[in-house]
Amino acid sequence: EVQLVESGGGLVQPGGSLRLACAASGFTFSSYWMNWVRQAPGKGLEWVANIKQDGSESYYVDSVKGRFTISRDNAKNSLYLQMNNLRAEDTAVYYCARERLSHSSSWYQFDYWGQGTLVTVSS
Amino acid sequence: DIQMTQSPSSLSASVGDRVTITCRASQSISNYLNWYQQKPGKAPKLLIYRASTLQSGVPSRFSGSGSGTDFTLTISSLQPEDFATYYCQQSYSTPITFGQGTRLEIK
Repeated sequence: EVQLVESGGGLVQPGGSLRLACAASGFTFSSYWMNWVRQAPGKGLEWVANIKQDGSESYYVDSVKGRFTISRDNAKNSLYLQMNNLRAEDTAVYYCARERLSHSSSWYQFDYWGQGTLVTVSS
Repeated sequence: DIQMTQSPSSLSASVGDRVTITCRASQSISNYLNWYQQKPGKAPKLLIYRASTLQSGVPSRFSGSGSGTDFTLTISSLQPEDFATYYCQQSYSTPITFGQGTRLEIK
């Protein structure tokens, strides 16, 4: 059974940092592009970043470029999101999501999602 | 960035009704359009990808159509478990963008 379990969320002050993690199981993690998608309270979905199977490529939405870094450790079946210089507008539930196809380019079709971890940026 | 606009933003319907949700892209995205269902407090679920291909395990009462800029999601006969929020998402170019969502409520 495919499982994605996020952790690392919490309350942080503006300008602070947080590192999210996503533990994957039930599939060959190293074969899939992986993504972070966030959802502000009561709002819609926003794609944040993705990373290639071997970690050699990554892409970000403009609003987080230079502040967030996506990474992965295939030996640990884990995906990460390092978030620096956090702002109030980064407050959201952060989901990790798997690309639908393995051994493929990224088609941005997200077939499995974690339960999400809440990040609150407030003083 | 490609803007995705869904209509309506909310919709009331009854069990057994046929429901259609529309999604319009600000520029042509060919058929790079996906649909998700999200229930309160839960993660989204992929329903349809490439505009019309049903994701494995999704009931056949769900269908999608369209290409270019205009797309539709149709539920042929609403079931109680279908009351949720639905999002379209373009996968044509980064940044990937979602519609604002359509909340489907019980009448």
